[in-house]
Amino acid sequence: SQTIHQWPATLVQPVGSPLSLECTVEGTSNPNLYWYRQAAGRGLQLLFYSVGIGQISSEVPQNLSASRPQDRQFILSSKKLLLSDSGFYLCAWRERQYTEAFFGQGTRLTVV
Amino acid sequence: AQKVTQAQTEISVVEKEDVTLDCVYETRDTTYYLFWYKQPPSGELVFLIRRNSFDEQNEISGRYSWNFQKSTSSFNFTITASQVVDSAVYFCALQQSNDYKLSFGAGTTVTVRA
Repeated sequence: SQTIHQWPATLVQPVGSPLSLECTVEGTSNPNLYWYRQAAGRGLQLLFYSVGIGQISSEVPQNLSASRPQDRQFILSSKKLLLSDSGFYLCAWRERQYTEAFFGQGTRLTVV
Repeated sequence: AQKVTQAQTEISVVEKEDVTLDCVYETRDTTYYLFWYKQPPSGELVFLIRRNSFDEQNEISGRYSWNFQKSTSSFNFTITASQVVDSAVYFCALQQSNDYKLSFGAGTTVTVRA
């Protein structure tokens, strides 16, 4: 069966520090991968998605970036965090374009 | 452009009451997909249902039921005889046929009191 791993679960980082969140999927190949952010008490904002290795589509221009170095690995990065980057980050995968998405357990990022 | 509106921010009910969550969507596509997800306090989103635009049959799964009305662009979700474990944030989402993006509504927080 397929599983998705996302880490770390919680992270407290100072303003201006770098960020790297990692997400991996097991049990499937060539999944569609997604990064979402959820601000406190708010809905889900799509940040990036990828339909293949090395292919990244950005939805929100900001100081975040994403990479997909391997088929089932999706990384969210920042060179310098801002206070406004605080939130709950969720990685998700889908088998195909119209299938349901399955989410990781999320990373709660607090920028101080 | 696609858009999902969940006008109800919070709903509070007493256990065993029914609760209906509204979802209204906007899309220019004739082919699209609608989803509902549950986010319990732990944070992880749990998939509940997927429905394509050509299937307007209502669906029932245990205490959960969904009412899809294309004429009003709505995909409402009802929890019958609510339980405390139903307390969560519920999200409606939309996927257009020519897109890879899954767009979510703002979510409705449901609190079921014992």
